[in-house]
Amino acid sequence: KAGVTQTPRYLIKTRGQQVTLSCSPISGHRSVSWYQQTPGQGLQFLFEYFSETQRNKGNFPGRFSGRQFSNSRSEMNVSTLELGDSALYLCASSTGTDLDTQYFGPGTRLTVL
Amino acid sequence: AQRVTQPEKLLSVFKGAPVELKCNYSYSGSPELFWYVQYSRQRLQLLLRHISRESIKGFTADLNKGETSFHLKKPFAQEEDSAMYYCALKGTGANSKLTFGKGITLSVRP
Repeated sequence: KAGVTQTPRYLIKTRGQQVTLSCSPISGHRSVSWYQQTPGQGLQFLFEYFSETQRNKGNFPGRFSGRQFSNSRSEMNVSTLELGDSALYLCASSTGTDLDTQYFGPGTRLTVL
Repeated sequence: AQRVTQPEKLLSVFKGAPVELKCNYSYSGSPELFWYVQYSRQRLQLLLRHISRESIKGFTADLNKGETSFHLKKPFAQEEDSAMYYCALKGTGANSKLTFGKGITLSVRP
């Protein structure tokens, strides 16, 4: 099976702009989770979508939002970008069952200038 | 609240030396514990999970509920083990998200 893919791989934006990141899960996986990875805070959970519904949410401001489509592909949106949003954004897909394993994508490197 | 603590940021050992990467957790329930690894220029991947009770690449980890620990061990480190290692906890029900520790860099010198 093809792995989790994320597009774009790199992005450069300026403060105040908004950005949309995309994640295509492994075929058959219905759950997509998003994480922010920074040197200072490590890996932090943003949210999880399962069957087009947000099932879990981390402690991030409302500027961070997401959605999932009927084919399980997911998008994450960050509005009004701040310098501190510069990070590697990872998505992970899984079957969404209790004993499942999350498979990670390569990430999107976002730089906010 | 669920929390994972990896007290060290870096561990440097010589090839053939034993390795122990520490992980402590806080969770009021029965969590599932994982170790993830990220090799240079590769994506984050699962190394092992406590319910499998298996050894992967010579690594083992035992869940100690009394000490709330899930330390990762390998008796003889290899250079190819050099990577970033993350301990993670998955709660149950509404807390079924993965919570990661800050990670530790393992450097195995020849």
